[in-house]
Amino acid sequence: DTEVTQTPKHLVMGMTNKKSLKCEQHMGHRAMYWYKQKAKKPPELMFVYSYEKLSINESVPSRFSPECPNSSLLNLHLHALQPEDSALYLCASRPNPGVRETQYFGPGTRLLVL
Amino acid sequence: GESVGLHLPTLSVQEGDNSIINCAYSNSASDYFIWYKQESGKGPQFIIDIRSNMDKRQGQRVTVLLNKTVKHLSLQIAATQPGDSAVYFCAEESGTSYGKLTFGQGTILTVHP
Repeated sequence: DTEVTQTPKHLVMGMTNKKSLKCEQHMGHRAMYWYKQKAKKPPELMFVYSYEKLSINESVPSRFSPECPNSSLLNLHLHALQPEDSALYLCASRPNPGVRETQYFGPGTRLLVL
Repeated sequence: GESVGLHLPTLSVQEGDNSIINCAYSNSASDYFIWYKQESGKGPQFIIDIRSNMDKRQGQRVTVLLNKTVKHLSLQIAATQPGDSAVYFCAEESGTSYGKLTFGQGTILTVHP
């Protein structure tokens, strides 16, 4: 298995809803990432997990709550989002947190907040 | 602040031509660079990478050149095909922060048959 999977592919939620995005990889990668990508813009890093521990939080609002239950799974819990949070949310992974090598991206979850 | 940017936002070529996409970066501590291709509705796909101890690296139909003196990175695609049409991003990782990729603004490459 050489891919990063993300579910759901699309999500529509109201500002009072609570939802979660899921990311999974079975490549044995020990670093996992969440990015946010607005239309016609580059991905922007949100969170980095190294060995299942949060190592970087790019000053993301608390309405986004990441979770790494195990080395294969990464969740992003969403609560009380704003319409401006509508974007493509990308998950990525790479084998070794401390080694410079490429990150492998999933297809993303397209989120619309109404 | 520090950033990675692109000189040209769009590039239009004919099938069979060679394409060159450029990227400027400002963080002198950057020591690892990646080119990604992103097709509509998909996540970024790895194309090629280069470390700062190299000036050039070649892959299948692609070459990345790194000029550290002027902080410039380029991606050359040989014999461009319609399937190469996508947005291309350069990304860099600095020596002080593992895992923190900073992306350039992207270039839209359109290949005409």
